[in-house]
Amino acid sequence: KQEVTQIPAALSVPEGENLVLNCSFTDSAIYNLQWFRQDPGKGLTSLLLIQSSQREQTSGRLNASLDKSSGRSTLYIAASQPGDSATYLCAVGSNYKLTFGKGTLLTVNP
Amino acid sequence: GAGVSQSPRYKVAKRGQDVALRCDPISGHVSLFWYQQALGQGPEFLTYFQNEAQLDKSGLPSDRFFAERPEGSVSTLKIQRTQQEDSAVYLCASSLGQSYSNQPQHFGDGTRLSIL
Repeated sequence: KQEVTQIPAALSVPEGENLVLNCSFTDSAIYNLQWFRQDPGKGLTSLLLIQSSQREQTSGRLNASLDKSSGRSTLYIAASQPGDSATYLCAVGSNYKLTFGKGTLLTVNP
Repeated sequence: GAGVSQSPRYKVAKRGQDVALRCDPISGHVSLFWYQQALGQGPEFLTYFQNEAQLDKSGLPSDRFFAERPEGSVSTLKIQRTQQEDSAVYLCASSLGQSYSNQPQHFGDGTRLSIL
C-alpha cells in the first residue's frame, strides 16, 4: 500500500526566503506526482504535476522535482510571500488514484 | 462556472439521518472522484467514476456510503444512517481524461459534514 510522508509538518519563514518542502513515498511504481495548495476552508488548488518520466516542473516561483527511484519529491518556493501561506499537499498518482500526504502548513511572515 | 462546484458547503445532521452531497464537475470532464478529508489529514480516496460507470468504490468506508453519477455529469454521494465518525470534509474532483494518467485532478471547495 502506497504511503506518502511530508516533512516538515509545519514551517514558518520570513518573507523573501527561499524554501523547500519534502515529500517521500514508499512505492515507486507511480504514474505521476501532483503538488496542491489548500487554503483554510477551501478545496485543493493544483500547483504542479510531474509525470513519472519527468524529473521536474516549473511554474513561476515554484519548482517541483521528482526522483522516482528514491521515492522523493521536493517543492521549491523562491522568494516567499505572505500570500504563499497555506497547507501544501503532495499526492502520488497510481493509475487514477491519488494518495496524499498529511501536508505541510507553511506560514510566511511579513 | 469554470470550476468544480459542490453543495451544500456545510451540512449538519443528527446521528442516524441520511445525507446527500452533490458535485458538479467541470463540463466535459470524463473522470470524477470523491475523497474524504478528516481534520488535519490529507484527503483519502473514496470512489472513482468514468462517465456514468463507477469503476472503483474500494475506498468507501462501509455499505452506508453510496455514490452515483447516472448521466455521466453530476454526482451524488449519499450517506445513510450517519454516524459521528462520518464527520469530515468531502471533496469532489474531476479530470479530463478517461483514466487518470496525465491529467491533473481539479477539486471543488468541499462539503463540510458535521454529525451531532
